[in-house]
Amino acid sequence: EVQVVESGGGLVQPGRSLRLSCAASGFTFDDYAMHWVRQAPGKGLEWVSGISWNSGHIGYADSVKGRFTISRDNAKNSLFLQMNSLRPEDTAFYYCAKDNSLRIWLWGWYFDLWGRGTLLTVSS
Amino acid sequence: QSVLTQPPSVSGAPGQRITISCTGSSSNIGAGYDVHWYQQLPGTAPKPLIFGNSYRPSGVPDRFSGSKSGTSASLAITGLQAEDEADYYCQSYDSSLSGSWVFGGGTKLTVL
Repeated sequence: EVQVVESGGGLVQPGRSLRLSCAASGFTFDDYAMHWVRQAPGKGLEWVSGISWNSGHIGYADSVKGRFTISRDNAKNSLFLQMNSLRPEDTAFYYCAKDNSLRIWLWGWYFDLWGRGTLLTVSS
Repeated sequence: QSVLTQPPSVSGAPGQRITISCTGSSSNIGAGYDVHWYQQLPGTAPKPLIFGNSYRPSGVPDRFSGSKSGTSASLAITGLQAEDEADYYCQSYDSSLSGSWVFGGGTKLTVL
């Protein structure tokens, strides 16, 4: 089955760190760029970060730049998001999303596969 | 404030046609970047509905269509059905500052 499954969410205090993971299966993971998209409860979607198939291109939203780091392990079909200096406004469902572009970094292309999300709550 | 502007809500009766607008600017839609649309049913992850302005992924009914002109794009749904009740988001790319994928604020579709 073609799917991506997120894990690692939970309750964390402001200023602390957390690492999210995304396990991919059913497709050739190292052919595609991957992204993290978040959604605060009851709010809209916000792109967080993206990484190309070979990690040669990486991008971040201004709201997380300098605090979050995206990475991938193609040998393990896994995507990661290291989140440092967490703030209450980072509270959201974090979705792992597969980019549809095959072995190319297409600015603004679409996400054709989404996970169910993992909830991060930042609160004291 | 989202970079792409959508109406917060639209509604229509079963069988009717509705449209949802997505208004951008010269640094995103107007710069030629494609617009994509997603449907998010309650309690679920977003699902791609339209990509590349007007193309439907496999499995999406032809009741859904997309268009783009200038700095705006639209999603149209014909033959409205109860199961279409969901949140709809447009997405594109914005080249201002460091550049990023951007979403509209979302539109809640209510089927009356």
